[in-house]
Amino acid sequence: NAGVTQTPKFQVLKTGQSMTLQCAQDMNHNSMYWYRQDPGMGLRLIYYSASEGTTDKGEVPNGYNVSRLNKREFSLRLESAAPSQTSVYFCASSEWAGIGETQYFGPGTRLLVL
Amino acid sequence: AQSVTQLGSHVSVSEGALVLLRCNYSSSVPPYLFWYVQYPNQGLQLLLKYTTGATLVKGINGFEAEFKKSETSFHLTKPSAHMSDAAEYFCAVSEMNDYKLSFGAGTTVTVRA
Repeated sequence: NAGVTQTPKFQVLKTGQSMTLQCAQDMNHNSMYWYRQDPGMGLRLIYYSASEGTTDKGEVPNGYNVSRLNKREFSLRLESAAPSQTSVYFCASSEWAGIGETQYFGPGTRLLVL
Repeated sequence: AQSVTQLGSHVSVSEGALVLLRCNYSSSVPPYLFWYVQYPNQGLQLLLKYTTGATLVKGINGFEAEFKKSETSFHLTKPSAHMSDAAEYFCAVSEMNDYKLSFGAGTTVTVRA
């Protein structure tokens, strides 16, 4: 099993460009998450999907949209990139949206917005 | 809302020495507590977690952590550091009525030969 995979690994954008970050998991998990990681700030939740067909905002959703394409895939879209969105983005999944559930993380996408 | 404080953004230890990483949380009810490790250029990996039961939790790679409710702490320890322990470590918390995680800022561990 590959676990959680993310594409691309690295991307450079110009301000105002759009892009979609892809995430897929092969563990038959119900819940999926998108985080951003910035130096000195830990990980902050952008959006999450407790189950297929549902999505909800996290702590820092502004400037992002998500799509839960099916049970396996959860994409994150930046419609008009800004330098403040330069970050490392992590996708994670858990078996279900339950208290104490372990989240499994992908390797991350490093995004630089010029 | 939860907050998680990790004391010390960088910790340097000698190989074979004790590793101690500090985590304190603020919560009105007993939370669930996690430690994750991030090796360079990789995603986060669960080291250990506390949900209920025994307050001393053992994890992978020889790490353990103790939940102390009176001190609102969940410090991570390893008796003898190995070069392979060089990584960034994150403490995370979720409240009993909310499965979403709040992460601390992280502590980077370097191990000196």
